[in-house]
Amino acid sequence: KAGVTQTPRYLIKTRGQQVTLSCSPISGHRSVSWYQQTPGQGLQFLFEYFSETQRNKGNFPGRFSGRQFSNSRSEMNVSTLELGDSALYLCASSPLGGVPGELFFGEGSRLTVL
Amino acid sequence: QQQVKQSPQSLIVQKGGISIINCAYENTAFDYFPWYQQFPGKGPALLIAIRPDVSEKKEGRFTISFNKSAKQFSLHIMDSQPGDSATYFCAAKPYNFNKFYFGSGTKLNVKP
Repeated sequence: KAGVTQTPRYLIKTRGQQVTLSCSPISGHRSVSWYQQTPGQGLQFLFEYFSETQRNKGNFPGRFSGRQFSNSRSEMNVSTLELGDSALYLCASSPLGGVPGELFFGEGSRLTVL
Repeated sequence: QQQVKQSPQSLIVQKGGISIINCAYENTAFDYFPWYQQFPGKGPALLIAIRPDVSEKKEGRFTISFNKSAKQFSLHIMDSQPGDSATYFCAAKPYNFNKFYFGSGTKLNVKP
């Protein structure tokens, strides 16, 4: 079974630009979550999608947005990039929608903002 | 405000020794406490997890000890090996949300 796939793996942007990151969950997983990982803050929850609906949202500004498609694939978008947005963005899928379970992480998309 | 506090930040252990990483939390709504292992260039992977109705869970060389009254839990790695060198994250999840709160991570280095 293929794991969680994130694209692109690396990208460099400049301040003010926007970026879209993509995540393909494990087949059959309907819940997709996004986390931001930075050396100083660790992993911080961005949002979770289930059946194309955002179910939970973390404490990030509105510049961070996401969506989920009918095939469970998800995208997140960051607009008006700031230097502080440089981070590893991790996508994770879960096999069950409403009950606690294991998060299966992808390898992440490493964003550098110059 | 960090909802899950993890210590130490880094840890050096000799091969064969015991590695111990500690975490503390405040939110009594948490009901699932996993530990994740992350190697450089990879995403975190679930190592072991526990629910608050048990005080200890063991899987191979990895053990979680859980103290509900103190709101603390810890990861013990017995017979630590160089291949265990990685960053370890504790986490906690409330019962009604699929939203995980992670500790800040512990970088473990097992010396051969």
